[in-house]
Amino acid sequence: AQSVAQPEDQVNVAEGNPLTVKCTYSVSGNPYLFWYVQYPNRGLQFLLKYITGDNLVKGSYGFEAEFNKSQTSFHLKKPSALVSDSALYFCAVRDKTVNDMRFGAGTRLTVKP
Amino acid sequence: GAGVSQTPSNKVTEKGKYVELRCDPISGHTALYWYRQSLGQGPEFLIYFQGTGAADDSGLPNDRFFAVRPEGSVSTLKIQRTERGDSAVYLCASSPTGTPGNGELFFGEGSRLTVL
Repeated sequence: AQSVAQPEDQVNVAEGNPLTVKCTYSVSGNPYLFWYVQYPNRGLQFLLKYITGDNLVKGSYGFEAEFNKSQTSFHLKKPSALVSDSALYFCAVRDKTVNDMRFGAGTRLTVKP
Repeated sequence: GAGVSQTPSNKVTEKGKYVELRCDPISGHTALYWYRQSLGQGPEFLIYFQGTGAADDSGLPNDRFFAVRPEGSVSTLKIQRTERGDSAVYLCASSPTGTPGNGELFFGEGSRLTVL
């Protein structure tokens, strides 16, 4: 079975500071890992994904994430947060043999000016 | 438009009524997914179509829920005898490929269902 855990319901950072949103996963095989962002009253928007290769992946809006196989983690990071980054962030995992993408419960990021 | 389109954006109904939610995926995307998102939760998988067939309906909560995709494009999620617990945002997503899936899903803005 595949599962995702986002241990923090809420993350607060000051504008200009680095941010990290945590994600750990569990799959039986090699995972495909994804991050999505959801703004109020909007659908989920894709940020970035890890499929294979370099453990550090870069995505939209200056976000990046690091795949760590030994820790089964895929934390989302950004060197300098913007107020406009405030949103709900979802980590997702997919085992290549199954049909559905499993989402975490989400982490609400608030960036204060 | 170029994205996934869902209608209606909002639906309020009474307990026991029948509802249909429509999804128009991105043109050319063969894989289509329905998810349900309750308040404070992540999206929960309901059903997956590859072309016209429901390749995986293991996420449908019970037999009141049914979905079709007769021509391999537009899909309709149907809920019979609605219950208050069905209230949620129903998300549709499409992808150019299905399983094995290293491609991201493209989501619509969702249909918010409220059952009174």
